[in-house]
Amino acid sequence: DSGVTQTPKHLITATGQRVTLRCSPRSGDLSVYWYQQSLDQGLQFLIQYYNGEERAKGNILERFSAQQFPDLHSELNLSSLELGDSALYFCASSAGADSSSYEQYFGPGTRLTVT
Amino acid sequence: GQNIDQPTEMTATEGAIVQINCTYQTSGFNGLFWYQQHAGEAPTFLSYNVLDGLEEKGRFSSFLSRSKGYSYLLLKELQMKDSASYLCAVRDRGQNFVFGPGTRLSVLP
Repeated sequence: DSGVTQTPKHLITATGQRVTLRCSPRSGDLSVYWYQQSLDQGLQFLIQYYNGEERAKGNILERFSAQQFPDLHSELNLSSLELGDSALYFCASSAGADSSSYEQYFGPGTRLTVT
Repeated sequence: GQNIDQPTEMTATEGAIVQINCTYQTSGFNGLFWYQQHAGEAPTFLSYNVLDGLEEKGRFSSFLSRSKGYSYLLLKELQMKDSASYLCAVRDRGQNFVFGPGTRLSVLP
């Protein structure tokens, strides 16, 4: 158990819909990272937040957005869903903002299926 | 563009040593990471290199050469539980993480 929690574990929804994925980091960690993993694209970095502020942005679509709240939990919002958005979405946390705090702890993931 | 290459699959025997190579071309460099991922599970952190040389951690070691854009992960005394995918990732100048496709390692008895 990494100490990172994600809800829900599974989500099935239809094209065009909007969903919210939630992540709670390990106690004391200030950074939250979001990743997408699909069979054809591998693991892709989406975005990082550090203490409520956006820190780094990767391959995140405009239809997707994220935020980190004062209690440090984070939410990833996916809208106008397409079949290709079906994937495993992982959240990870680390103590600091940059590579000096390099060890990331991954949550169990949310499996999103868009039908 | 940014690119990370790893072999797709490798096979080794229990008790042996295996080396998984990773080459990268990225926009800047802020560290190289190795992760282990068992099927159906989340990745787990194995190692981090930011300076050239070898980092050893128990049965696992990771090497980095920044001038060659090259790293390897060395697994010694292989065990059946080491059968997993191994992901190489680089953090670039913009603090983005770029992942390789992963190497699926099968350890045979």
